[in-house]
Amino acid sequence: AQSVTQLDSHVSVSEGTPVLLRCNYSSSYSPSLFWYVQHPNKGLQLLLKYTSAATLVKGINGFEAEFKKSETSFHLTKPSAHMSDAAEYFCVVSDPLGGGADGLTFGKGTHLIIQP
Amino acid sequence: GAGVSQSPSNKVTEKGKDVELRCDPISGHTALYWYRQSLGQGLEFLIYFQGNSAPDKSGLPSDRFSAERTGGSVSTLTIQRTQQEDSAVYLCASSLAGTSSETQYFGPGTRLLVL
Repeated sequence: AQSVTQLDSHVSVSEGTPVLLRCNYSSSYSPSLFWYVQHPNKGLQLLLKYTSAATLVKGINGFEAEFKKSETSFHLTKPSAHMSDAAEYFCVVSDPLGGGADGLTFGKGTHLIIQP
Repeated sequence: GAGVSQSPSNKVTEKGKDVELRCDPISGHTALYWYRQSLGQGLEFLIYFQGNSAPDKSGLPSDRFSAERTGGSVSTLTIQRTQQEDSAVYLCASSLAGTSSETQYFGPGTRLLVL
């Protein structure tokens, strides 16, 4: 079985300061990991994904995440927050054994607030 | 190109009525997924189609829920005898072949409110 824990339900940062959204996963095998973003009343959009290639993954809008197997973590970072980054962020794991048939397992989400 | 579309975008219904939600995946995507997003449960996986087949329906919340896919394209999620706890946003996603490492592309969702 797989699971995802997002360690913070809310994160508040000032515009122009770094963003860190924390995620820990549990999986019996080498999983695929994703970060999705959901803006208010919008659909889910993929930010980035890790699929056993480079451990530092770069995504859209300046976001990146580092896969650390020893820490079972996949934290999302951005050097400088922008007002448009305010949204809900989901860390997601996919079990390789199930193929896609088991669907994605989502974390509870982190609400990112950007202070002007 | 066109993304995943869902209809209706909003649905208000009375308890006990049946509702049908529709999903149009990205053209050429063989895999299709339904998820439910609710305040209490977060985002939960409901069912997966590869082509027209759903190998495992155990993720559906109850026997009032059913889903089908025809022609390897459009899918419908039907909820019979709706209950207030069915109120949620129902999301559909599609991917090219259905492997675990593929990106799933999500539609905007159908917001269902059961009164």
